[in-house]
Amino acid sequence: AQSVTQPDIHITVSEGASLELRCNYSYGATPYLFWYVQSPGQGLQLLLKYFSGDTLVQGIKGFEAEFKRSQSSFNLRKPSVHWSDAAEYFCAVGRFGNEKLTFGTGTRLTIIP
Amino acid sequence: DTGVSQDPRHKITKRGQNVTFRCDPISEHNRLYWYRQTLGQGPEFLTYFQNEAQLEKSRLLSDRFSAERPKGSFSTLEIQRTEQGDSAMYLCASSPGGNEQFFGPGTRLTVL
Repeated sequence: AQSVTQPDIHITVSEGASLELRCNYSYGATPYLFWYVQSPGQGLQLLLKYFSGDTLVQGIKGFEAEFKRSQSSFNLRKPSVHWSDAAEYFCAVGRFGNEKLTFGTGTRLTIIP
Repeated sequence: DTGVSQDPRHKITKRGQNVTFRCDPISEHNRLYWYRQTLGQGPEFLTYFQNEAQLEKSRLLSDRFSAERPKGSFSTLEIQRTEQGDSAMYLCASSPGGNEQFFGPGTRLTVL
């Protein structure tokens, strides 16, 4: 069975600082990996996805993520955060031929001025 | 905006009542998914449709839950005899295929 671990429940960073959110997955074959962002009371917006190919993927809002097979990781990064980035971030894993996504428990990001 | 829409956005009900939620997917998407999200957790898969066929159901979907997509367009999720443990955000997503799913704003259910 596939699973996702987001080890950081809550992260606080200063506006303008760099950000890295951690995601580790468990799955036997090559996974499909996603990062979603959720603002309070809202649905999920897709930030970026990895299916195959280049292991560094670019997403919306200046985010990027790197797939590292050896570490079973797909960490999300942003070089300089903005106050509007404060939200909940979810990593998810899927696989070819199976439609459901398995989500991590999320990381809440707080931005301080 | 032609994104996924859900109705209602909020529902408060008393324990034991039945509730029904509606999801309208992006028009050209043939796949539709329901997820449940409780406080402090990530979304959990409930069920999935391809066109009008319900192809997978999670063990989370007890016999009090039923989902339909009668014409392969909108979908409904009904919960019978609601319990306080059913309080959650119910999220709908749609996809043209290939695992990339687009989520609606969700329906927040509160069972008193």
